[in-house]
Formats: sequence, C-alpha cells, structure tokens
Amino acid sequence: DAGVIQSPRHEVTEMGQEVTLRCKPISGHDYLFWYRQTMMRGLELLIYFNNNVPIDDSGMPEDRFSAKMPNASFSTLKIQPSEPRDSAVYFCASSLDVGETQYFGPGTRLLVL
Amino acid sequence: SQKIEQNSEALNIQEGKTATLTCNYTNYSPAYLQWYRQDPGRGPVFLLLIRENEKEKRKERLKVTFDTTLKQSLFHITASQPADSATYLCALGGYGQNFVFGPGTRLSVLP
Repeated sequence: DAGVIQSPRHEVTEMGQEVTLRCKPISGHDYLFWYRQTMMRGLELLIYFNNNVPIDDSGMPEDRFSAKMPNASFSTLKIQPSEPRDSAVYFCASSLDVGETQYFGPGTRLLVL
Repeated sequence: SQKIEQNSEALNIQEGKTATLTCNYTNYSPAYLQWYRQDPGRGPVFLLLIRENEKEKRKERLKVTFDTTLKQSLFHITASQPADSATYLCALGGYGQNFVFGPGTRLSVLP
C-alpha cells in the first residue's frame, strides 16, 4: 500500500479564498482523522470519521472549516473563507480502529497570505 | 480541561546514553497511550502503544512505562544514536474521550 496520500503538499493562497485539502486513507482502514499542527498549538485533532461518518468534530475551530468523506477512499477538508491564522500543516491519518496505530500522511503545508 | 505535558521542549544527550522522555497528563483517564516520532517536514510515525493495564512495553531499543497512579509515561531509548534525533510525541486515547497529543520533546543525540 502507498500509505496515506495527501494533496496538495503545499498550498499558498490569499485571505478570503477557498482552500480544499484532500486525503486518501490506507485501504481497509475504517477510521480517518484530520489534524492541524502549528508551533504554538502543536498537533490538534480537528475531526475524525468512522466508516465515512463524522464521529467527533469538536476540534473544528469554526464554521469556516468543513470536512467530508463521501466514500471509504476519499476525504476533504475545506476552509472557506481562509484567514492568515489558518496557516499550518494539516495532516490526515487513518487507522483500523480508534485505539490502534494511526498512519499519517505527509501533510499539506498551508500558507494564507 | 485535559492537559498533557512532556518534560521539556528539547533534550540533548550524548550518543550511547539512554534518553528518557516524560509524558504527564491531568484531567484524563486514558485507556491507552501511544508514542510517535516526527522528523522535520514529515508526519508522525507510530512507535509504541501501551494500554492502561500494562506497566511496561519494549521494542528493540525502546521501552515505555505507564503509571496510571502517577498519571505519567516514561519513554526510554537505550544506546541512543544520532539517527534517533527527532521530535517525540505522546498521545492519549480512551473511550468517550478525545484523542490528544502532547506538545512533543525535541531530542538531539550528539555524536
């Protein structure tokens, strides 16, 4: 398996623009997680899915953030409109179960100007 | 609120020595604790998992202990090598509780 795949790897956009981050989990993994990492706040869980259903989105910072998982092999994290404080590295991870090893993707480095 | 602390932001040790990293938590009752390694520009990589009913886990040069009374986990790397230099993150999870990561400790093993 190729591991967790994320795209794009880097994204530079201007404040107010819509940003869409994409993730393909490892095949067969029932759980998918979205994280955000910054120097100030560390690694934060934003939302996670089980069998394509959002289970806990309490980490989503505000309504500008939304996540979907239309099928078992694809998820998106959307920010609309983007703000400079959204600049961070966004990671997607997947696992067989919530208490098991999480496999992280390479991350998307987002810069909002 | 839940809080996880890792002993220090950075730790420098000499090659060959044992590195000991600490993870302390409050306001949390984890069912398990995990340790991850993160290299610059990359995602975290899983190292070890220890459950609440386990005291110690080993994997090659790595050892993890878990003391639910002290609310602490210790992560040891024996015979450390420069290649062990990275940021190490602890993470807690439990039934009905959010999965949370600690802030990480940046380990530098000096040759």
